[in-house]
Amino acid sequence: ETGVTQTPRHLVMGMTNKKSLKCEQHLGHNAMYWYKQSAKKPLELMFVYSLEERVENNSVPSRFSPECPNSSHLFLHLHTLQPEDSALYLCASSQEGNSRSYNEQFFGPGTRLTVL
Amino acid sequence: RKEVEQDPGPFNVPEGATVAFNCTYSNSASQSFFWYRQDCRKEPKLLMSVYSSGNEDGRFTAQLNRASQYISLLIRDSKLSDSATYLCVILYSSASKIIFGSGTRLSIRP
Repeated sequence: ETGVTQTPRHLVMGMTNKKSLKCEQHLGHNAMYWYKQSAKKPLELMFVYSLEERVENNSVPSRFSPECPNSSHLFLHLHTLQPEDSALYLCASSQEGNSRSYNEQFFGPGTRLTVL
Repeated sequence: RKEVEQDPGPFNVPEGATVAFNCTYSNSASQSFFWYRQDCRKEPKLLMSVYSSGNEDGRFTAQLNRASQYISLLIRDSKLSDSATYLCVILYSSASKIIFGSGTRLSIRP
């Protein structure tokens, strides 16, 4: 495996379901990210785990819950989603320096989520 | 005013042409600047970083104008394979401040 992988690639779920998106990076990076990409909108940064610290993004609804058990794995737990949450969810990783300067992000292929 | 603004295009130019587009940003605390490329139904990939002095990578030239708060991307001798959406990315010193532009669509015709 190389780069950043995401599973599943496609997910259809009802509003009452609970599901999880998984991301794994094989690049030895120390920061991982979740992004949301909706049609005709820019990528929106949802969560960052950097140097083993989670950086909150207060604008993300609590129905999205990230988990980062180690530097190689990142999950996004989903529950009671709304149809407007349908989007492409992209995971990315990067190698951050001590000065917290942010470098090239490598993206996974994304999970195309549809909420019915 | 949006933090990062790009002309959405589409720019439709013939093969071999030179095309340029800009990305403006509103926050002068911006630290780092990048151009990413996203092909249809694919993930974004880094095209090039943008340095204060300007930088070139083959047919691609990126420039930063801090005074006017914009970055630019110039593509010379465009190829069919350059057709994609080009995203500008602005990073701030804070971990949660990574802003993507909405992208400029470029279509190169034979």
